[in-house]
Amino acid sequence: QVQLQESGPGLVKPSETLSLTCSVSGGSISGYYWSWIRQAPGEGLEWIGYIYYSGSTNYNPSLKSRVTISVDTSKNQFSLKLSSVTAADTAVYYCARERRVEPGKYYFDYWGQGTPVTVSS
Amino acid sequence: QSALTQPPSVSGSPGQSVTISCTGTSSDVGSYNRVSWYQQPPGTAPKLMIYEVSNRPSGVPDRFSGSKSGNTASLTISGLQAGDEADYYCSSYTSSSTWVFGGGTKLTVL
Repeated sequence: QVQLQESGPGLVKPSETLSLTCSVSGGSISGYYWSWIRQAPGEGLEWIGYIYYSGSTNYNPSLKSRVTISVDTSKNQFSLKLSSVTAADTAVYYCARERRVEPGKYYFDYWGQGTPVTVSS
Repeated sequence: QSALTQPPSVSGSPGQSVTISCTGTSSDVGSYNRVSWYQQPPGTAPKLMIYEVSNRPSGVPDRFSGSKSGNTASLTISGLQAGDEADYYCSSYTSSSTWVFGGGTKLTVL
């Protein structure tokens, strides 16, 4: 059974960089796409971006200028960096595995439990 | 990219059926069958309920069904149970190779 676990600071100061890591166990990170998704308090889900195990990425256009997602296949981990954070970036951050089987089987099949991040001085 | 449009809330009595709509555009919901639905009880991570518009993963009851017409996808839950009470989100892969979610719908079982 694949398991994902987010880790990182729960409190980040405004204007600083939020850094989170997702550790994958029970399966290999190779061969899949991996996403970061967040949920602000009382709000809906917002897709942040994904990375393929080979390193190719794509980001939400609204966050693209501040987001970097990277992968470390040797550690079976992928990471999120979000720069110049403000209070609006306060959210629960989830990592998730994408399942893609052409032509139409595109979905998120495994999710981490989520980690809350607060942006505050 | 704009979020997919879902009703903020729906409700029904035990045993009844409810349908949650998810409206997008020809660049997402309307262009592919890459629509999925997720159930999120309070304080938990989302759980996949439907993929490829109408397919159920193993373990999801057949009371949950999905469909699509044009730019609108729908999730129907029949034989409502108290345990179905949760937030539900639709999602679609887009023609820009990005993902978009709906705003979420809170299901209340009366």
